[in-house]
Amino acid sequence: QQQVKQSPQSLIVQKGGISIINCAYENTAFDYFPWYQQFPGKGPALLIAIRPDVSEKKEGRFTISFNKSAKQFSLHIMDSQPGDSATYFCAATWDNKLSFGAGTTVTVRA
Amino acid sequence: NAGVTQTPKFRILKIGQSMTLQCTQDMNHNYMYWYRQDPGMGLKLIYYSVGAGITDKGEVPNGYNVSRSTTEDFPLRLELAAPSQTSVYFCASSPELGTGGFYNEQFFGPGTRLTVL
Repeated sequence: QQQVKQSPQSLIVQKGGISIINCAYENTAFDYFPWYQQFPGKGPALLIAIRPDVSEKKEGRFTISFNKSAKQFSLHIMDSQPGDSATYFCAATWDNKLSFGAGTTVTVRA
Repeated sequence: NAGVTQTPKFRILKIGQSMTLQCTQDMNHNYMYWYRQDPGMGLKLIYYSVGAGITDKGEVPNGYNVSRSTTEDFPLRLELAAPSQTSVYFCASSPELGTGGFYNEQFFGPGTRLTVL
């Protein structure tokens, strides 16, 4: 069963726009919530991660918002660029293992 | 540093054949993982290891076996390949995922694309 639910499955955004990807979880034992970025033909790579005691974390154009009471978190990509076109996975860690969401394919149109 | 390397990159198997997917890391990580990635399904954990000589099942272990005789190597064995094992397989390694309040990255290899016909 999918322990982390991710939506949407895909999205298209214009260059300069904002991409928003949402995730929800049930297991309150999860202790870190990373996001991974994957380009075609490559393995996933860490983009940004947050702890559940932090409500927001920003790194450059990428921001994670975390709502512990709702058990939801989201990734915002500001000023989206064609080079951001990739598949994004939210994830959650427990006991040194990762549970991944199903992924969101982001296409940035120039 | 080569990071996590996987061989082969591509492989076609016939139903019932067996093969070993190789994975090596040069970062001296204790934790190693095998995932499979199917379209629209994310990554599913097959097996993992917390150190040499110690392995455990993940979410989807049926039809696979692993061993961990050294820190560096974590091969995945497919016995009696079935079409349901057609997938992209990723190996990953990491230190302990959370230390001192910080998340430690799990590093992924480039993947092996396996087709079973």
